[in-house]
Amino acid sequence: QQPVQSPQAVILREGEDAVINCSSSKALYSVHWYRQKHGEAPVFLMILLKGGEQKGHDKISASFNEKKQQSSLYLTASQLSYSGTYFCGTDLTGTASKLTFGTGTRLQVTL
Amino acid sequence: DAGVIQSPRHEVTEMGQEVTLRCKPISGHNSLFWYRQTMMRGLELLIYFNNNVPIDDSGMPEDRFSAKMPNASFSTLKIQPSEPRDSAVYFCASRLGDRDVNQPQHFGDGTRLSIL
Repeated sequence: QQPVQSPQAVILREGEDAVINCSSSKALYSVHWYRQKHGEAPVFLMILLKGGEQKGHDKISASFNEKKQQSSLYLTASQLSYSGTYFCGTDLTGTASKLTFGTGTRLQVTL
Repeated sequence: DAGVIQSPRHEVTEMGQEVTLRCKPISGHNSLFWYRQTMMRGLELLIYFNNNVPIDDSGMPEDRFSAKMPNASFSTLKIQPSEPRDSAVYFCASRLGDRDVNQPQHFGDGTRLSIL
């Protein structure tokens, strides 16, 4: 079952913050976040394991609430380079091999 | 270090022709994944291998699709015969370890396939 991401699209001005949500109807072992720019490969951002952890690097962080079966990606003080489509990949097996990717959230950062 | 290498980058062919996509995983990675990406269905896992052995091919859409991994540094995805609805971007990804949940999948640049 494909996880649902929200919003589907968002436009920000440089310096603004954004939150992208990923919700699953099934219990999750981990959530994997990727960013894909147009015409390019998905690029890994971070993995969150069950246990309600929170991670971050630079101005991008994420949280994972296993009880609610959802994860959120936080982008603060957005930069032009943050533009792209963000995907969450959910792991239902515990091996982090068979990921089911979400519908994607298109983020555009403008001047 | 070289990333995942896919070839060709673009392929345009006529319906009914055989298509072979190639992938070289990152050296030392022992898991390999084939994905298909379309606007309608997003990014879908087709098949994955651990240590050159196919583990799960439940995402392969039809018998027209087949994948092999003859050695640790090479894999192919073949479509025969191809149909227009196979048009998509096909990604290969590799990962270090087969059960280490902390290891991410690294994607290649993809093959953009158009079937006329």
